Amino acid sequence: DSGVTQTPKHLITATGQRVTLRCSPRSGDLSVYWYQQSLDQGLQFLIQYYNGEERAKGNILERFSAQQFPDLHSELNLSSLELGDSALYFCASSVGRVLNTEAFFGQGTRLTVV
Amino acid sequence: DQQVKQNSPSLSVQEGRISILNCDYTNSMFDYFLWYKKYPAEGPTFLISISSIKDKNEDGRFTVFLNKSAKHLSLHIVPSQPGDSAVYFCAASEGGANNLFFGTGTRLTVIP
Repeated sequence: DSGVTQTPKHLITATGQRVTLRCSPRSGDLSVYWYQQSLDQGLQFLIQYYNGEERAKGNILERFSAQQFPDLHSELNLSSLELGDSALYFCASSVGRVLNTEAFFGQGTRLTVV
Repeated sequence: DQQVKQNSPSLSVQEGRISILNCDYTNSMFDYFLWYKKYPAEGPTFLISISSIKDKNEDGRFTVFLNKSAKHLSLHIVPSQPGDSAVYFCAASEGGANNLFFGTGTRLTVIP
C-alpha cells in the first residue's frame, strides 16, 4: 500500500459528459501529480500541485482541470469527454515541490468513455 | 516526442537467470533516473534510482547501470524470481523539474 488513495477505481461514462477523479496523497506529502496512461503508452504527466497551488503543467488538455484543496486532497476534472480520453489516470504524491526523488502512486482510476 | 524509450515491450526469462531491461533517453539534461514496477490493477511502485553522478547503483537483486555517453540505462535483476513478473517503467527527471518522463514499459515474465 503506497498510502495514496484514488477514487473511484473504475468509471464508465458517455461522450460529452464530465467526471471528477479524486486523490488523497500520503500523509505529509504536499505535492500531488496527475498522470495519464493510455493504451500502450507510458505515463504522461498532466499537472502538479504543491500545497494548494499549481506548480507545473504538462500535456493537459484545456477540457481538463485540477485543484488541490486545503486538506491536500486533489481532484482532476475531465469535461466534454471523448473516446480518446479513455485511459488509466494515476495520482502520485511526494514530500517536496521538486520531484527529485521517488513519487508514490495510487492504484489509478480506469476511465472508460463509451 | 518520447524522451524516454523502452524499445522492448516484453521479455521472458527463466527463473534464476538474469533479467536485463533497457532504457534509452534523448534529453541530456536528465540527471535522475528511476525504475518503477507495476503489477496489474496497482499503481507503479518505486524500485530503484540512480543519479547522473553515478554509473551504478545496487539494491539487493536489483542493479541499475547508467551510461551517460550513450544515454542508456539498464536494470539487472539477478536472480530473477516469478514474483518479479510485472511491467517495468523507466523514468527520468531534470534537475529542479516537477515531472517524471516515463517510458512505455517492458513486461517481464519470469518462467518458473
